[in-house]
Amino acid sequence: AQSVAQPEDQVNVAEGNPLTVKCTYSVSGNPYLFWYVQYPNRGLQFLLKYITGDNLVKGSYGFEAEFNKSQTSFHLKKPSALVSDSALYFCAVLNSGGYQKVTFGTGTKLQVIP
Amino acid sequence: GAGVSQTPSNKVTEKGKYVELRCDPISGHTALYWYRQSLGQGPEFLIYFQGTGAADDSGLPNDRFFAVRPEGSVSTLKIQRTERGDSAVYLCASSLAGEFTDTQYFGPGTRLTVL
Repeated sequence: AQSVAQPEDQVNVAEGNPLTVKCTYSVSGNPYLFWYVQYPNRGLQFLLKYITGDNLVKGSYGFEAEFNKSQTSFHLKKPSALVSDSALYFCAVLNSGGYQKVTFGTGTKLQVIP
Repeated sequence: GAGVSQTPSNKVTEKGKYVELRCDPISGHTALYWYRQSLGQGPEFLIYFQGTGAADDSGLPNDRFFAVRPEGSVSTLKIQRTERGDSAVYLCASSLAGEFTDTQYFGPGTRLTVL
């Protein structure tokens, strides 16, 4: 079985400060990892993914995430937060040896304070 | 190009009624997925189509739920004898070929409310 944990229900950060949204995963094989963002009353938008290769993945809107195999983590980061980054963020995992069944975390609400 | 579209955006029905939710994937995408998102939760996998066939329907909660994709494009999620617990946002996603490395692109969802 595969699972994802997002330990923080909400993260507050001041505009201009760096932000981190945490994600840890559990899979039996090699993981494929994803971050999605959800704005109110809108569908999920893809931010970035880790498949293989460089542990630091860069994605849309200045976001990046670092894959850490030893800590089974894939934390989302951005050097300087914008108020418009305020949204719900979901981490997701897919077991590369399994099915096309993505498992999502419960989400972290990011609030960027002006 | 156009993204994934879903209709209706909102559906209110009474307990025991039948509902159909429609998904129009991105043109050319062969893989299509349905998810259910309850309040405060992440999306939960329901079913995955590769072309016209359901490659994995293990996420469907019971036999009241059924989905079809007869021509390999538009898909319909059908729920019979709806229950209040079925109230959720139903999300559809599509990907180019269904490969593990493909990105899934999501529609805006259908908010189903069962009274």
